[in-house]
Amino acid sequence: SYELTQPPSVSVSPGQTARITCSGDALSKKYAYWYQQKSGQAPVLVIYEDSKRPSGIPERFSGSSSGTMATLTISGARVEDEADFYCYSTDSTGNQRVFGTGTKVTVL
Amino acid sequence: EVQLLESGGGLVQPGGSLRLSCVTSGFTFRSYAMSWVRQAPGKGLEWVSGISDTGGTTYYADSVKGRFTISRDNSKNTLYMQVNSLRAEDTAVYFCAKDSFTISGVVVYWYFDLWGRGTLVTVSS
Repeated sequence: SYELTQPPSVSVSPGQTARITCSGDALSKKYAYWYQQKSGQAPVLVIYEDSKRPSGIPERFSGSSSGTMATLTISGARVEDEADFYCYSTDSTGNQRVFGTGTKVTVL
Repeated sequence: EVQLLESGGGLVQPGGSLRLSCVTSGFTFRSYAMSWVRQAPGKGLEWVSGISDTGGTTYYADSVKGRFTISRDNSKNTLYMQVNSLRAEDTAVYFCAKDSFTISGVVVYWYFDLWGRGTLVTVSS
């Protein structure tokens, strides 16, 4: 089955830049999406189609994709950005809907 | 305001059944595909099942195929999932999610743009 691999954790100081990677064979052909999930809450879409930001999502969240890796960047991270982040995409056929393994972002 | 509100979770013995519901408001429910996504305690997200806007097409993850059945009632703006033959590994928070999509060329990209708060299913004797 198709897999998307993320680092388990990323730590950053307030005001610094956090980068979270997502690796998957089909990412060169398929869009990546990113979800933020704060403790005990539902996930929230923060990036769609590799690099687009939904309405209401702060500009410090940005996305990019190159080859088989997608990256979520939090520029000027804030304490309130602490959360688990999941990438999402599909396999090359589009039939398998898959989340990444998840990355816990700590801002301190 | 868009809302998705799940219910129906609880404690059930292995082999038991539950019916999960997701009542929606704030958007034209009948125009959108919907999905269920689950999250085991302390674990990541797993897409479980999806259904087209009319209910005519359904999709399942291999892990639940043959045991779970997704359905919807567009007159009640409600999504359902009948979960049968439950196993310990089905213990999770079950989220209802609204599907969205974009089209690039001939490729359709499906994703989840809004989520409910979830309902907890615990399978234990």
